[in-house]
Amino acid sequence: DAGVIQSPRHEVTEMGQEVTLRCKPISGHNSLFWYRQTMMRGLELLIYFNNNVPIDDSGMPEDRFSAKMPNASFSTLKIQPSEPRDSAVYFCASSFQTVLYEQYFGPGTRLTVT
Amino acid sequence: GDSVTQMEGPVTLSEEAFLTINCTYTATGYPSLFWYVQYPGEGLQLLLKATKADDKGSNKGFEATYRKETTSFHLEKGSVQVSDSAVYFCALTPMDSSYKLIFGSGTRLLVRP
Repeated sequence: DAGVIQSPRHEVTEMGQEVTLRCKPISGHNSLFWYRQTMMRGLELLIYFNNNVPIDDSGMPEDRFSAKMPNASFSTLKIQPSEPRDSAVYFCASSFQTVLYEQYFGPGTRLTVT
Repeated sequence: GDSVTQMEGPVTLSEEAFLTINCTYTATGYPSLFWYVQYPGEGLQLLLKATKADDKGSNKGFEATYRKETTSFHLEKGSVQVSDSAVYFCALTPMDSSYKLIFGSGTRLLVRP
């Protein structure tokens, strides 16, 4: 069975450019999460969707970050404009609504902003 | 706020050695506690869980007991294998949130043949 799919796996971009990260959750899962992992701050929840609706976006760092989930099988995390401090590994995870703590993580996108 | 503290890594062991990775937490009331594992090149996956005090979670030879009196959830395995080499994350969900996983910083385990 396919797990959570993320693309790209690696992204290198210049400061000021727009970056779009993509995620395909596990089929049948109705909850989706975006996390950011850095050495300084560890793993942080950015946003949580349930049935394609954003429920908690309190972790989104600032207006430069936005996330969408147009349907049950696709989500994007966009950074515009990007800054060097956005360099991190971004994970997408999905779960069933009834077992929200059992989250299945994708392999992550390593973003480097120069 | 709620938080999780893990021992610094890396932890390096020989195959068949006993493993302990320490985890303590700070939280209001009775959070649920978890260990997640991240193998090289993969995403995190749930290893085991405990949802109330004195519960013991177990999976794949790993165990952890929810100790309310010491606010701890230490991970143990009696005999590690090379294939256990990974990064282990302790985590909790606060009582007022069923979805918000708060992770520790992770502990890297290296098992040598």
